Amino acid sequence: DSGVTQTPKHLITATGQRVTLRCSPRSGDLSVYWYQQSLDQGLQFLIQYYNGEERAKGNILERFSAQQFPDLHSELNLSSLELGDSALYFCASSVPRGGTDTQYFGPGTRLTVL
Amino acid sequence: AQSVTQPDIHITVSEGASLELRCNYSYGATPYLFWYVQSPGQGLQLLLKYFSGDTLVQGIKGFEAEFKRSQSSFNLRKPSVHWSDAAEYFCAVGPLSKAAGNKLTFGGGTRVLVKP
Repeated sequence: DSGVTQTPKHLITATGQRVTLRCSPRSGDLSVYWYQQSLDQGLQFLIQYYNGEERAKGNILERFSAQQFPDLHSELNLSSLELGDSALYFCASSVPRGGTDTQYFGPGTRLTVL
Repeated sequence: AQSVTQPDIHITVSEGASLELRCNYSYGATPYLFWYVQSPGQGLQLLLKYFSGDTLVQGIKGFEAEFKRSQSSFNLRKPSVHWSDAAEYFCAVGPLSKAAGNKLTFGGGTRVLVKP
């Protein structure tokens, strides 16, 4: 158990819908990252937040957005869903106060868009 | 741009035999290097990491990896595999500069099958 929690574990929805994925980082970690794992694209970085502020952006679609709240948990919002958005979405956290940048991953949320 | 290549998509190994998974990276400087393992239906578990210092690093579950700067490689090894090592293994690189964020770039993964 990495200490990173993600909910829900599975999500099934229809095209055009909007969903929210939630992540709670390890206690004390300030950074949260979102990654997407799909069969055709592999594991891809989406976005990073550090202590509530966006730090880096990867190949994140405009239909996707994220935020990190004052208690450091993060949410990834996916809207106008398409079949191709079906994937495993991972959250990772790192950077405890004074620590090193090793990312620890949560169990993932499997999104299925029908 | 940084990139990671894992040349072997699948590897089949007999239980008790040794295992070596290859990883080559392309980066302007020595990056942070990681190996993660993903068991079926599970998340990513960190096996080991290299930041600096001794180029042979030990990890969990009996794995080790060797950083070779001249070959831009960070190969993962295990002397004797167990059936529970059947999984997908990912090599990843991260930047030294926190100013650009700390995203990991992953290789395509190597799926390891263990024969009894």
